Amino acid sequence: NAGVTQTPKFRVLKTGQSMTLLCAQDMNHEYMYWYRQDPGMGLRLIHYSVGEGTTAKGEVPDGYNVSRLKKQNFLLGLESAAPSQTSVYFCASRPAKPMTGGSGYTFGSGTRLTVV
Amino acid sequence: GENVEQHPSTLSVQEGDSAVIKCTYSDSASNYFPWYKQELGKGPQLIIDIRSNVGEKKDQRIAVTLNKTAKHFSLHITETQPEDSAVYFCAAGSGYSTLTFGKGTMLLVSP
Repeated sequence: NAGVTQTPKFRVLKTGQSMTLLCAQDMNHEYMYWYRQDPGMGLRLIHYSVGEGTTAKGEVPDGYNVSRLKKQNFLLGLESAAPSQTSVYFCASRPAKPMTGGSGYTFGSGTRLTVV
Repeated sequence: GENVEQHPSTLSVQEGDSAVIKCTYSDSASNYFPWYKQELGKGPQLIIDIRSNVGEKKDQRIAVTLNKTAKHFSLHITETQPEDSAVYFCAAGSGYSTLTFGKGTMLLVSP
């Protein structure tokens, strides 16, 4: 099992450019999440999805859009990149059942994005 | 919403010593408390978790304790090894909610 796969792993963008980060999971998980990780800030939730065709805003959604057209994929889009969006982005997934022992998130390996 | 505070932000220990990382949470409805380990250049990985109906859970050299009354939980690592060096995150959540993460603790184990 590949688990959660994120592409690309690294990207450099110029201010104002757009891009899409792809997250794919092969565990048949219903819930998927996008986080950004910045030094000293921990993991902050950008957007999440509880099922195909549904999305919701997290803690820091501004400047990002998401789509969940297929159950296994969750896309994060930056329409007009800004230097403040320089960060490491993580995708995570979990099954749609109450959080219990061992049913926490499975994370991808991250995408390091630099906006210059 | 839930708020999770994690301390310390950095922790340096000698190999063989014990390490303790502490977290507090604010929402009394939270009943699931996982801990994640993040190695350099990788995503966080679940290492141990505990539910609110359990006070302590052990897995070899790691253990987690929970004090639901005081709303705090801790990660204990005994006999630390250099490969334990990483960033550790605590989190809290319940039911179908999203997890709220602490800001992380960088643990450095010196040989």
